[in-house]
Amino acid sequence: NAGVMQNPRHLVRRRGQEARLRCSPMKGHSHVYWYRQLPEEGLKFMVYLQKENIIDESGMPKERFSAEFPKEGPSILRIQQVVRGDSAAYFCASSEGLYQPQHFGDGTRLSIL
Amino acid sequence: QKEVEQNSGPLSVPEGAIASLNCTYSDRGSQSFFWYRQYSGKSPELIMFIYSNGDKEDGRFTAQLNKASQYVSLLIRDSQPSDSATYLCAVAPTAGNLIFGKGTKLSVKP
Repeated sequence: NAGVMQNPRHLVRRRGQEARLRCSPMKGHSHVYWYRQLPEEGLKFMVYLQKENIIDESGMPKERFSAEFPKEGPSILRIQQVVRGDSAAYFCASSEGLYQPQHFGDGTRLSIL
Repeated sequence: QKEVEQNSGPLSVPEGAIASLNCTYSDRGSQSFFWYRQYSGKSPELIMFIYSNGDKEDGRFTAQLNKASQYVSLLIRDSQPSDSATYLCAVAPTAGNLIFGKGTKLSVKP
């Protein structure tokens, strides 16, 4: 039974480039969440999506960041014009329903040169 | 602002002892409560969840919830060196997103 799949595991970008992070939820899970963990910091919620809908994006920076979860395919977290401060581990989680346990993927470690 | 507070530790216990981890939260409307374990450089791994006041046991782990005191705890019995990790308390206040504490680092000494 495949868990939450994230790719790539590691991503290196130069300042000003775009970063695309992908997440496929666990089978049977229709709720997807993105979190960011800065070095030596806690996990911070970014966005909550269901298929084709953004439910809550209150944790998402207003500029340069966007997320989608299309009808077909994985959820995508997109960061445009990356800056050094975007360097972090980005985790995706999925759940079967609201308030149900969230299971995390292995994360994408984003490094900005 | 909704917050989840944990002692950062490190909490050091000898092998075989009981480790007690505590967490308080600010939002009285919180619906569900989770404990995750995170090894260094790895992703959070769900170990317990609890929705109702009282105790919930699963193997060596017991989660305790007291909504009146806005307090959640995790007990680990017969602690093993492999339990050494950072333990994250997470609370779901409203629409599903989790608010995490900064974690308590547990060290189990052989």
